[in-house]
Amino acid sequence: KAGVTQTPRYLIKTRGQQVTLSCSPISGHRSVSWYQQTPGQGLQFLFEYFSETQRNKGNFPGRFSGRQFSNSRSEMNVSTLELGDSALYLCASSLAAASSSVLTFGAGSRLTVL
Amino acid sequence: AQRVTQPEKLLSVFKGAPVELKCNYSYSGSPELFWYVQYSRQRLQLLLRHISRESIKGFTADLNKGETSFHLKKPFAQEEDSAMYYCALRGSGYSTLTFGKGTMLLVSP
Repeated sequence: KAGVTQTPRYLIKTRGQQVTLSCSPISGHRSVSWYQQTPGQGLQFLFEYFSETQRNKGNFPGRFSGRQFSNSRSEMNVSTLELGDSALYLCASSLAAASSSVLTFGAGSRLTVL
Repeated sequence: AQRVTQPEKLLSVFKGAPVELKCNYSYSGSPELFWYVQYSRQRLQLLLRHISRESIKGFTADLNKGETSFHLKKPFAQEEDSAMYYCALRGSGYSTLTFGKGTMLLVSP
């Protein structure tokens, strides 16, 4: 069974640009969550999607957005990039958006903003 | 609001020594607690969850509701245990997984 796949793995952008990151969950998983990982703040929750609906959103500015498609694949977009957006963006999938579900993480997309 | 606190950024021990990684949480209801581990150049992965009450790689963790803690323990540390450990909490219902900031465990020979 293939794991959670994130693309691209690495990317470099400049301030003001926008970026789109993609996540393909494990086959059969319908819930996708996104996290931002930085050395100072650790893992911070961005969004959670289930069946194309955003179920929950973290405390991030409106420049951060996401969506989920009918095949459960998800994308997140960051517009007007700032230096502080440099981070590892992790996607995780689970069978359902329930408290008993276990998250399986992807390898992440490492974004560097210059 | 839910919060997870891991008071130690770094824990350094010698091989064979006991290990305790501390985790305290704040949540008004009945949470589900997890420990995730990230080995060097590997993905973040689940180590154990409190409802399973199992031992994984010699690690155990007991949920203490009175002290709102979920400390991770291992009686004899091994060099391969060196990694970043994250404690995480999920509240009841459709709630998010809240992580602590992590503790780096270094086991020296």
